[in-house]
Amino acid sequence: GIQVEQSPPDLILQEGANSTLRCNFSDSVNNLQWFHQNPWGQLINLFYIPSGTKQNGRLSATTVATERYSLLYISSSQTTDSGVYFCAVKGPIKAAGNKLTFGGGTRVLVKP
Amino acid sequence: SAVISQKPSRDICQRGTSLTIQCQVDSQVTMMFWYRQQPGQSLTLIATANQGSEATYESGFVIDKFPISRPNLTFSTLTVSNMSPEDSSIYLCSVGVGDVVYNEQFFGPGTRLTVL
Repeated sequence: GIQVEQSPPDLILQEGANSTLRCNFSDSVNNLQWFHQNPWGQLINLFYIPSGTKQNGRLSATTVATERYSLLYISSSQTTDSGVYFCAVKGPIKAAGNKLTFGGGTRVLVKP
Repeated sequence: SAVISQKPSRDICQRGTSLTIQCQVDSQVTMMFWYRQQPGQSLTLIATANQGSEATYESGFVIDKFPISRPNLTFSTLTVSNMSPEDSSIYLCSVGVGDVVYNEQFFGPGTRLTVL
């Protein structure tokens, strides 16, 4: 099946700093999503981005499908950005089934 | 998008017992899934809940341990059977919105299970 690797595994930021999270995947994808899991365990959809660039407030994401990676940018970080960020991908149905595969996550702590 | 609710939100159970988790969606959806998140780990797909037929289980998960029902397009249950402390995890229901190939998945709030 598809392999999904996220880096870095842990990130400590000072409030106001910018950061970039990376997601590498091993095969072509039909679906790529970024999630934020807050300290209460809720998974929040950030982006559905199988290709291209999207922005939502202080967050933006870029997926370069031909090179099999995606980047999540956090600008002017706030303490509420703390939590775990997951990248998840879904490959072609014939090869991988209709299955969303998650990366290991990046644990982010934003200090005031 | 989709609004998903789960019951219970958390539970503490004794080993050897079973717990049934309910998942309710605010609209009809074709694709519904159950995931497990063990402490400090990422999410792993348990099975795809198929309406009107048996669930499709991923490698390492079996129907006897995790029976799933899907009586209609808005509801599903996952039972964790004969529980052991290793089953302590967050169990999440998820639905896919869109077509079969290109769809976005949304997740319920999860059920936090502790087995003593």
